[in-house]
Amino acid sequence: DTGVSQDPRHKITKRGQNVTFRCDPISEHNRLYWYRQTLGQGPEFLTYFQNEAQLEKSRLLSDRFSAERPKGSFSTLEIQRTEQGDSAMYLCASSLVAGGRADTQYFGPGTRLTVL
Amino acid sequence: AQSVTQLGSHVSVSEGALVLLRCNYSSSVPPYLFWYVQYPNQGLQLLLKYTTGATLVKGINGFEAEFKKSETSFHLTKPSAHMSDAAEYFCAVSNSGGSNYKLTFGKGTLLTVNP
Repeated sequence: DTGVSQDPRHKITKRGQNVTFRCDPISEHNRLYWYRQTLGQGPEFLTYFQNEAQLEKSRLLSDRFSAERPKGSFSTLEIQRTEQGDSAMYLCASSLVAGGRADTQYFGPGTRLTVL
Repeated sequence: AQSVTQLGSHVSVSEGALVLLRCNYSSSVPPYLFWYVQYPNQGLQLLLKYTTGATLVKGINGFEAEFKKSETSFHLTKPSAHMSDAAEYFCAVSNSGGSNYKLTFGKGTLLTVNP
């Protein structure tokens, strides 16, 4: 068990550019979540996947945001036409859901995005 | 809808003193409750969780929390603070029913431990 990993750890970009983040969950976990954390706030839910299916998206996830989990393993989060308000820490978490019960969500180290 | 209120954005204690971080929640269904800790520039690490059963939950690093349904509270305590406990602490709630299990977090409490 190597834990949840995220890449890159830091990203600095200019307003209007596109960025993509990657999350590799714990290998046997079938559920993957994305959260966003701004300065001085707790993480806020963005979206989640059960295997490769994206089952819910928050209203925070505007149409500039898209997430995929193509083979039910790693996931990517893309932000198009970045805005300064997108600057935040993007956190990925994974868990195992079985028999209608959810296990603990394990978090990665996060990707800190700065939009200039 | 669920929500979490953490009373006190910043708590300062002396090394060896009692740590008490307060959390109140709102949930229309029986909740699952969690405390996570976050060190600077790192992700969140689970300290402890309550799902069902015993209302006093023990976690890692000597922390414990008690689920009090009548008070809708899940306060985090540690009898004796250590310098290494300095970090930000987040209380979170999720649904016990449904299928999402997404976490709703409070705004966090920054714990400072003074020598």
